[in-house]
Amino acid sequence: AQSVAQPEDQVNVAEGNPLTVKCTYSVSGNPYLFWYVQYPNRGLQFLLKYITGDNLVKGSYGFEAEFNKSQTSFHLKKPSALVSDSALYFCAVRSPYDKIIFGKGTRLHILP
Amino acid sequence: KAGVTQTPRYLIKTRGQQVTLSCSPISGHRSVSWYQQTPGQGLQFLFEYFSETQRNKGNFPGRFSGRQFSNSRSEMNVSTLELGDSALYLCASSGGANMNTEAFFGQGTRLTVV
Repeated sequence: AQSVAQPEDQVNVAEGNPLTVKCTYSVSGNPYLFWYVQYPNRGLQFLLKYITGDNLVKGSYGFEAEFNKSQTSFHLKKPSALVSDSALYFCAVRSPYDKIIFGKGTRLHILP
Repeated sequence: KAGVTQTPRYLIKTRGQQVTLSCSPISGHRSVSWYQQTPGQGLQFLFEYFSETQRNKGNFPGRFSGRQFSNSRSEMNVSTLELGDSALYLCASSGGANMNTEAFFGQGTRLTVV
């Protein structure tokens, strides 16, 4: 069965520091991996995805994620955090022809 | 291009009633999916439609149902509402037939069951 885990409910980072939001997954076959962000009182917005190819994926707002097959991870990263990055982040995984599974979300607080 | 539109935005219903939520996808998108978001359970997949056919279904009781129309608009229905159905219901549309296409989300319908 597919599953995705975001081990941290909350991550606090000082503005200007690098940030990492962790995601690990379990899926049979080659996964499709996604990151979405949710700002208060709004729907989710797509950040980036991994389908195939280069393990380092670049997305919106300066975010990137690295696909690590051996560790079954897809951590979200940004070199320098902004206060405006404060939001709820969701990792999602699906295998071809199966339903999508979302993690429980990680709340990111960027401290000024 | 207009985004995904969900109506109504807010809804208060009484336990035992039924409710219908509506979703209009981005023009040209043929895939629509629905999710339930609660503080305790996070974001849970309800169902996914593509060209009026249900492609995938989540682990929800039969009280939750959905459908998609020929114009790609979608509705979901919850019958015999329970207090635990109080949640934010999100709809998303995507433009491709492939499972690797990203989704565009509406702002959601916040359902409160009293």
